[in-house]
Amino acid sequence: EVQLVESGGGLVQPGGSLRLSCAASGFTFDTYAMSWVRQAPGKGLEWVSAISGRGANTYYADSVKGRFTISRDNSKNTLYLQVSSLRAEDTAVYYCAKERTTMLREPFDPWGQGTLVTVSS
Amino acid sequence: DIQMTQSPSSVSASVGDRVTITCRASQGISSLLAWYQQKPGKAPKLLIYAASSLQSGVPSRFSGSGSGTDFTLTISSLQPEDFATYHCQQTNSLPFTFGPGTKVDIK
Repeated sequence: EVQLVESGGGLVQPGGSLRLSCAASGFTFDTYAMSWVRQAPGKGLEWVSAISGRGANTYYADSVKGRFTISRDNSKNTLYLQVSSLRAEDTAVYYCAKERTTMLREPFDPWGQGTLVTVSS
Repeated sequence: DIQMTQSPSSVSASVGDRVTITCRASQGISSLLAWYQQKPGKAPKLLIYAASSLQSGVPSRFSGSGSGTDFTLTISSLQPEDFATYHCQQTNSLPFTFGPGTKVDIK
């Protein structure tokens, strides 16, 4: 069974940083691109970042470019998102998600349960 | 970026009703459109990919159609477990944008 388990969220002050983790199991991790998607309280879904299977290619939404860094450790089957220079508008549940297949331009399945990041003083 | 819109933003329906949700892309995305179901406090679940392909394990009362810029999700006979928010997503080009969601609640 494919499982994704996020951790690392919490309360952080504006300007602060966190590292989110997503532990993956049940599939050959390094053959799948992975993404982070966030959802602000009561709002819709926003794609944040993606990384290719081997980690060579990374992509970011304009809203986080230069502040967030996606990475992966394929030896540990773990995806990361370093979030820095945090703003109130970054408050959200952050989900990691696996692409449905190893083909390009695939939707996400499954998703982790999410980890909440709250940016507040 | 490709903008996604959905209508209606919410719909009230009864068990057994047929429900149709539409999703429109600001430019053509071929058939690279997915639909997700999300229940409160839970992660989204993939229902439909490639506009009309049913994800494994998803009941056949869910169906999708469309290509280019206009897409629909249809629930043929609404069941109690289908009350949720439905999101569309384009995967034609990054950023993989989502629609704002359609909430289906009990009439």
